[in-house]
Amino acid sequence: DIQMTQSPSSVSASIGDRVTITCRASQSVSSWLAWYQQKPGKAPKLLIYSASTLQSGVPSRFSGSGSGTDFTLTISSLQPEDFATYYCQQANSFPPGFTFGPGTKVDIK
Amino acid sequence: QVQLQESGPGLVKPSETLSLTCTVSGDSMSTYYWSWVRQPPGKGLEWVGYISDTEKTRYNPSLESRVTISLDTSRTQFSLRLSSVTAADTAMYFCARGINNIVTGYYFESWGQGTLVSVSS
Repeated sequence: DIQMTQSPSSVSASIGDRVTITCRASQSVSSWLAWYQQKPGKAPKLLIYSASTLQSGVPSRFSGSGSGTDFTLTISSLQPEDFATYYCQQANSFPPGFTFGPGTKVDIK
Repeated sequence: QVQLQESGPGLVKPSETLSLTCTVSGDSMSTYYWSWVRQPPGKGLEWVGYISDTEKTRYNPSLESRVTISLDTSRTQFSLRLSSVTAADTAMYFCARGINNIVTGYYFESWGQGTLVSVSS
């Protein structure tokens, strides 16, 4: 199985800060990596797929990069609505399936 | 714009079968993959399985022996059955529409709001 890790597990930041979250896969997933944002009591929301492609309607302050085993999600200027938990997901279509990272909680400093 | 809505019992007894349905509206079910994802209270996300529009299924190996996902395109619904449940199956269950191709891999494009299922006697 492909295992996913994220760091940090939580981060405290202020409005306007640049925030970077790292996701690492236990083996290469090429560029098959997606990022989601989840707010309490809500469903996850797709932000980025194929490691760096912004989903339609997602603000451009979100960006993704990386390939192989190491990926990053960057929020260039944190906004009040960005306080949430962020998950990466390896999108390798081959068995055994899809796994999520453990999540990174972004909260107010 | 596609909308997904989960429905089913909120309480299931241990050893019984959990059954949920996801109703899809606003778009065709063709060319997409239809998944279930769950999230235990306070924990992370776990993919349960998917069914394609051609009824190809794939399940999480850790749940495969207990999971069945089926499709009813005439009703624009797909369903989850999880047998022999225990307290460990207590979770928010989300249905989601997936995109799957060789370029992008598989990602969950649209989600239902989720339904909480508790396993308790």
